[in-house]
Amino acid sequence: DTEVTQTPKHLVMGMTNKKSLKCEQHMGHRAMYWYKQKAKKPPELMFVYSYEKLSINESVPSRFSPECPNSSLLNLHLHALQPEDSALYLCASSRQPGQIYEQYFGPGTRLTVT
Amino acid sequence: QKEVEQDPGPLSVPEGAIVSLNCTYSNSAFQYFMWYRQYSRKGPELLMYTYSSGNKEDGRFTAQVDKSSKYISLFIRDSQPSDSATYLCAMSVAAGNKLTFGGGTRVLVKP
Repeated sequence: DTEVTQTPKHLVMGMTNKKSLKCEQHMGHRAMYWYKQKAKKPPELMFVYSYEKLSINESVPSRFSPECPNSSLLNLHLHALQPEDSALYLCASSRQPGQIYEQYFGPGTRLTVT
Repeated sequence: QKEVEQDPGPLSVPEGAIVSLNCTYSNSAFQYFMWYRQYSRKGPELLMYTYSSGNKEDGRFTAQVDKSSKYISLFIRDSQPSDSATYLCAMSVAAGNKLTFGGGTRVLVKP
């Protein structure tokens, strides 16, 4: 089983709203990732969690706030987003932080900021 | 110049044909090479990965890496309409580093 689940599938939010994206995996993976993907572009790395600790922040604006409550769950808290933040947000996981070559993606949350 | 170059396509082939995809790269330090398939409005799906040079086969898929030419390929035999998707190559310098993606190639397999 290589399943990463993400909720919600779609999200529409205003620029003053606060919302959260959720990602879960039950494969025992100890590295989890958030990516942002714009239309017809490849995924762009945002954050990496290794053993539930934030290890990489790719200079993401503070209106995006990640959280890893436990080894199976990853959240992305959103606040005061801009329309240009509309994109597909992908979560991924790998068995270990050192096994990025075997990374499994979830289906994504399609976010629209109005 | 981008670190990883990939023809955006679309690449249109008839059903049953061999699909040939490739990426070129400039960073000779890349050691891990991945291919992902992404259907429209879905997350990328890992097809296969290779370490360093050589070939790897998995069912209808064959991945090749030529580090001397900084060139990787993915071949899909007996293509099916269900293979219609965007194919992304990705590379990494070391196992724990971030992935560098190509821009993706859109493939259309016509019945």
